[in-house]
Amino acid sequence: DQQVKQNSPSLSVQEGRISILNCDYTNSMFDYFLWYKKYPAEGPTFLISISSIKDKNEDGRFTVFLNKSAKHLSLHIVPSQPGDSAVYFCAASPSNTGNQFYFGTGTSLTVIP
Amino acid sequence: DGGITQSPKYLFRKEGQNVTLSCEQNLNHDAMYWYRQDPGQGLRLIYYSQIVNDFQKGDIAEGYSVSREKKESFPLTVTSAQKNPTAFYLCASRDRGRSNQPQHFGDGTRLSIL
Repeated sequence: DQQVKQNSPSLSVQEGRISILNCDYTNSMFDYFLWYKKYPAEGPTFLISISSIKDKNEDGRFTVFLNKSAKHLSLHIVPSQPGDSAVYFCAASPSNTGNQFYFGTGTSLTVIP
Repeated sequence: DGGITQSPKYLFRKEGQNVTLSCEQNLNHDAMYWYRQDPGQGLRLIYYSQIVNDFQKGDIAEGYSVSREKKESFPLTVTSAQKNPTAFYLCASRDRGRSNQPQHFGDGTRLSIL
């Protein structure tokens, strides 16, 4: 049973516009959430994270929003750049272990120049 | 330069053969992980280890084995019991000493059946 879901397999955005990637989770014990970026034939690279005590975390062009009541998080990229084209995975970790991470299936973002 | 090294990048397995994927890290991380990625799917946890000489099964451990004799190394053996081994395998590590730390990944090994 998929505990972390990314329902959009792909997304295309014009350069300079906002990219919004979404992620839903089912386990209310998750308290640490992450976004990773992955290029083909490479490992995922950590992008940004948020703990459940916050509802927003920013790092440059990247902002993650967490809505605990809806069990939903989103990644906003503003402005989008062609180099942002990659697969983005969201991941979550429960508070009781801190060591097991659950990943979504990924969203492939294409930024059109 | 600190990081995680996986080797080989590509690996081919014959029927009935065991193969071992290497993962080495120089980040001084206690925790290490093995994931499998199939097309259109997320990362699924095979095994993880929190300290030397200790490891736990993940969600899809059947047909795999691991060892953790050194902090830096966490090799994964894909045994002949794994009937569908073709996949992209990722190794990761994490600093357990501080809370809310992300996993860091190697560049993966792609395993194919001959």
